[in-house]
Amino acid sequence: DAKTTQPPSMDCAEGRAANLPCNHSTISGNEYVYWYRQIHSQGPQYIIHGLKNNETNEMASLIITEDRKSSTLILPHATLRDTAVYYCIVRVPGANSKLTFGKGITLSVRP
Amino acid sequence: GAVVSQHPSWVICKSGTSVKIECRSLDFQATTMFWYRQFPKQSLMLMATSNEGSKATYEQGVEKDKFLINHASLTLSTLTVTSAHPEDSSFYICSASTPGARANYGYTFGSGTRLTVV
Repeated sequence: DAKTTQPPSMDCAEGRAANLPCNHSTISGNEYVYWYRQIHSQGPQYIIHGLKNNETNEMASLIITEDRKSSTLILPHATLRDTAVYYCIVRVPGANSKLTFGKGITLSVRP
Repeated sequence: GAVVSQHPSWVICKSGTSVKIECRSLDFQATTMFWYRQFPKQSLMLMATSNEGSKATYEQGVEKDKFLINHASLTLSTLTVTSAHPEDSSFYICSASTPGARANYGYTFGSGTRLTVV
């Protein structure tokens, strides 16, 4: 079973920030938070990951609460191409560590 | 870097026939690959873990004799759906463990194979 819970869907206007929440209240101390997204009929794409500090890369920012029980993925300037299903996953890094996908959140970016 | 190529991207086959799907790591060696299945409007479900040179490990409820996995080299894993039936129609996705400094990034996924059994 997935160890994260996400709202089923949300939308935002093109050009605005999209803030996608995720709850992972049972996260273990050595588990990282990963975000992937899946655009329709494609394989998932890695976005970002973090342990406890906030992280930023060219795609997004990840804000993790101090107690690590929840996090928020921020797409600073959403475009129509960001419309996808976004998956928040917790796992221990390692070559054989499984990625278990929950239902994800469907982000719809409107013009 | 870290590109996974999956082939074919779509296939239609007749009921009772077998279909092979290939997953290749193009610019790195993948000792571990994973196979997922995704039905419409559902999430990805892990089917099996494929380790180079050894037998695959199947998730509970996945028939190993129906979904044959071979990982004979460090860059190629194949999934063969044997005696396909319409209920096997699905989107099949592979992923490979990303090596070296990118290991913490998780996995790189193929683009998926849409299988339709008629």
